Amino acid sequence: GEDVEQSLFLSVREGDSSVINCTYTDSSSTYLYWYKQEPGAGLQLLTYIFSNMDMKQDQRLTVLLNKKDKHLSLRIADTQTGDSAIYFCAEKDTGRRALTFGSGTRLQVQP
Amino acid sequence: NAGVMQNPRHLVRRRGQEARLRCSPMKGHSHVYWYRQLPEEGLKFMVYLQKENIIDESGMPKERFSAEFPKEGPSILRIQQVVRGDSAAYFCASSPASGGATGELFFGEGSRLTVL
Repeated sequence: GEDVEQSLFLSVREGDSSVINCTYTDSSSTYLYWYKQEPGAGLQLLTYIFSNMDMKQDQRLTVLLNKKDKHLSLRIADTQTGDSAIYFCAEKDTGRRALTFGSGTRLQVQP
Repeated sequence: NAGVMQNPRHLVRRRGQEARLRCSPMKGHSHVYWYRQLPEEGLKFMVYLQKENIIDESGMPKERFSAEFPKEGPSILRIQQVVRGDSAAYFCASSPASGGATGELFFGEGSRLTVL
């Protein structure tokens, strides 16, 4: 079955770059997503990448996809205290409408 | 344009009681998904519904849990005879019938169930 894994915790200093990593097992993934969850709130889509791309940039966010290794990363440039949240990686395969989520990476930004 | 609306936001139940969680999808969306987030864990898929149909319930516990999405009104996730292990945040998401351009799901703010 599908499995999505992430490291649980990352701490960075304000102004540094953050890199959050994710691995997945489903080779038929079509889209991969990064969602952000702030304390006590729902999930908000940050960005997504189609499986035939290897990179996508959107302002401070850069998504890198290595299909061969089934590895996805999210880089946040110039990380701010407002970026402190839990970041979830998710994948969608061709056979399902529901997304499969990782366990989330808690990003803590130190001032 | 209202987003996905869930209520109640917080619900407290004693062991053995019933919990009902409601979800109204975004305007124009006809597909609803329920996920559960246990404390300090990720989101686990429970069930995917269209109007009057359960499409995928592979993540639903076999007993005590049920979901519906009637022709009129919100989707409801029902938990009978709650136990302490049911304490979690329950998130609803929706999508349009076509799946949209990217297949993304739009999430509500969640219903947090506490079982005493």
